[in-house]
Amino acid sequence: GENVEQHPSTLSVQEGDSAVIKCTYSDSASNYFPWYKQELGKGPQLIIDIRSNVGEKKDQRIAVTLNKTAKHFSLHITETQPEDSAVYFCAASFGLGTYKYIFGTGTRLKVLA
Amino acid sequence: GAVVSQHPSRVICKSGTSVKIECRSLDFQATTMFWYRQFPKQSLMLMATSNEGSKATYEQGVEKDKFLINHASLTLSTLTVTSAHPEDSSFYICSARAHRQGSTDTQYFGPGTRLTVL
Repeated sequence: GENVEQHPSTLSVQEGDSAVIKCTYSDSASNYFPWYKQELGKGPQLIIDIRSNVGEKKDQRIAVTLNKTAKHFSLHITETQPEDSAVYFCAASFGLGTYKYIFGTGTRLKVLA
Repeated sequence: GAVVSQHPSRVICKSGTSVKIECRSLDFQATTMFWYRQFPKQSLMLMATSNEGSKATYEQGVEKDKFLINHASLTLSTLTVTSAHPEDSSFYICSARAHRQGSTDTQYFGPGTRLTVL
């Protein structure tokens, strides 16, 4: 079946450093790739998304890149802050017309002050 | 904008009882709502997709008679866990897809409901 692999599972960085999380998807028909941030005991919050007709998108300290040929997409967080500490999930759309997502396994990011 | 609420946020019930969880889109109309289940330190598992006015579509392995879903309006979907047992204890999260032009692929998530079955 279709799946999304996400790496690393845990990531610790010093405050102010950059963090990069990578995902690989298998469904060549996937055309929408959102990233969510989930804090403990809360629901996921959309932080950035990208469509398959775009290679890169940036929103302040957060950016996402997409390589359709390799079926890779990555989240980049610059100038990390302690409040960036959370679990981050990537997702890829699948199933034409269903609007369903396949989620990655999550990355626990710790930003050390 | 794009706020989704869930109620209750936490519920503890006895084995054998039924529990209803509500999911509401507060500032937009939701063509489609999704229900997920999440175990500790794991990813989100899609349980079912519901469209307003029609029967829910359940993912493989999800018992539709145990997890009853009703999507009565464009702003409300409910999940009822019937005859709950301890193994149903989990974090249940809903999401809603906006019924509007533009980014109709985006799912906005509720805050989740922690269900504990004793």
